[in-house]
Amino acid sequence: DIVMTQTPLSSPVTLGQPASISCRSSQSLVHSDGNTYLSWLRQRPGQPPRLLIYKISNRVSGVPDRFSGSGAGTDFTLKISRVEAEDVGVYYCMQGTQLPFTFGPGTRVDIK
Amino acid sequence: EVQLVQSGAEVKKPGESLKISCKGSGYSFSTHWIGWVRQMPGKGLEWMGIIYPDDSQSVYSPSFQGQVTISVDKSISTAYLEWSSLKASDTAIYYCARHPWSSTWSTFDYWGQGTLVTVSS
Repeated sequence: DIVMTQTPLSSPVTLGQPASISCRSSQSLVHSDGNTYLSWLRQRPGQPPRLLIYKISNRVSGVPDRFSGSGAGTDFTLKISRVEAEDVGVYYCMQGTQLPFTFGPGTRVDIK
Repeated sequence: EVQLVQSGAEVKKPGESLKISCKGSGYSFSTHWIGWVRQMPGKGLEWMGIIYPDDSQSVYSPSFQGQVTISVDKSISTAYLEWSSLKASDTAIYYCARHPWSSTWSTFDYWGQGTLVTVSS
């Protein structure tokens, strides 16, 4: 199985400041079709996860443009340009390239 | 509007069987993979498996193969997750989620509200 790791596991941030989460995979996430199926999801307390970004950098409709994804191969990053109170939650990366698909352990983002 | 509505919370004893459900609406249920994700208390997300409703093709994580059964009834747009003999360690929230799987994306885009399963003697 592809193992996903995330750093940091906890990120206290100041409102209006940027935040960054790193996600690494144990193998390349480049699929044989040339695409890289790395997505980011956020889970707010007491809620199901919500998809934010797919295929590294594509924002889902309705996701603010302060969220951006980047990376390639085995190293990926989610950035929030200016954290707002509603961004609090646990962020997960997920690989959809190789079965079984797998999630990262999650990064908790909260406000200092 | 795409919606996945899961069955309600369950409290069971070890050794009992259980089948929880997830009903999809607002999209072509038969032609979209649908999967299950486990979240143990205070823990992260674990990918359990997915099923293609049109032909019931399924794929399981090795961690869950043989421990649960994923099935579907496309006539009523409903997916199921089933246990034949529950253990205390099955206590968790279980989410169903739609998994579009194409060159455009391979991820979970819509999620059910979750079903809390508590297994305790």
